[in-house]
Amino acid sequence: DSGVTQTPKHLITATGQRVTLRCSPRSGDLSVYWYQQSLDQGLQFLIQYYNGEERAKGNILERFSAQQFPDLHSELNLSSLELGDSALYFCASSVAPGVNQPQHFGDGTRLSIL
Amino acid sequence: ELKVEQNPLFLSMQEGKNYTIYCNYSTTSDRLYWYRQDPGKSLESLFVLLSNGAVKQEGRLMASLDTKARLSTLHITAAVHDLSATYFCAVIIQGAQKLVFGQGTRLTINP
Repeated sequence: DSGVTQTPKHLITATGQRVTLRCSPRSGDLSVYWYQQSLDQGLQFLIQYYNGEERAKGNILERFSAQQFPDLHSELNLSSLELGDSALYFCASSVAPGVNQPQHFGDGTRLSIL
Repeated sequence: ELKVEQNPLFLSMQEGKNYTIYCNYSTTSDRLYWYRQDPGKSLESLFVLLSNGAVKQEGRLMASLDTKARLSTLHITAAVHDLSATYFCAVIIQGAQKLVFGQGTRLTINP
């Protein structure tokens, strides 16, 4: 158990809809990262937050947004969903950016768009 | 743009054999990670390699890093079925925090 909690585990919805994925980092970790894993794109970094502030942005679509709250949990919002958004979305956390420790990954949310 | 390439992408081997997975990356980095992923599961951290010449071992797995060649290897010794999984290397861009992953190597170990 990595200590990173993601909910829900599975999400099935239709095109055009909006969903919110939630992540609670490990106790003591201030930095949260979101990744998308799909068969055709592999594992792609989406966005990173540190102590409530956005720190780095990757290949995140404009239809996607994220935030980190004062209690350090994070939410990833996906809107106007398309079939191609079907993927496994991982959240990871670490103590802080620049620290020589691995990012610890949650179990992921599997998103299926019908 | 940092690119991370793993080789091979698929590997089927017999128990008891040795093999090596290679991870090449395209730009300077000072941190390289190896992760394991079982089907439908999360990523489990295996090794963090922080400097040139770093070598780390855990059980039948040994990882090394050559920053000058921009190459890391994950060596499997006397493979056992439980090591069947997909192995990813990932590199952090210097000055940034995003992990860039390789494509993954799907390892199948047959009895």
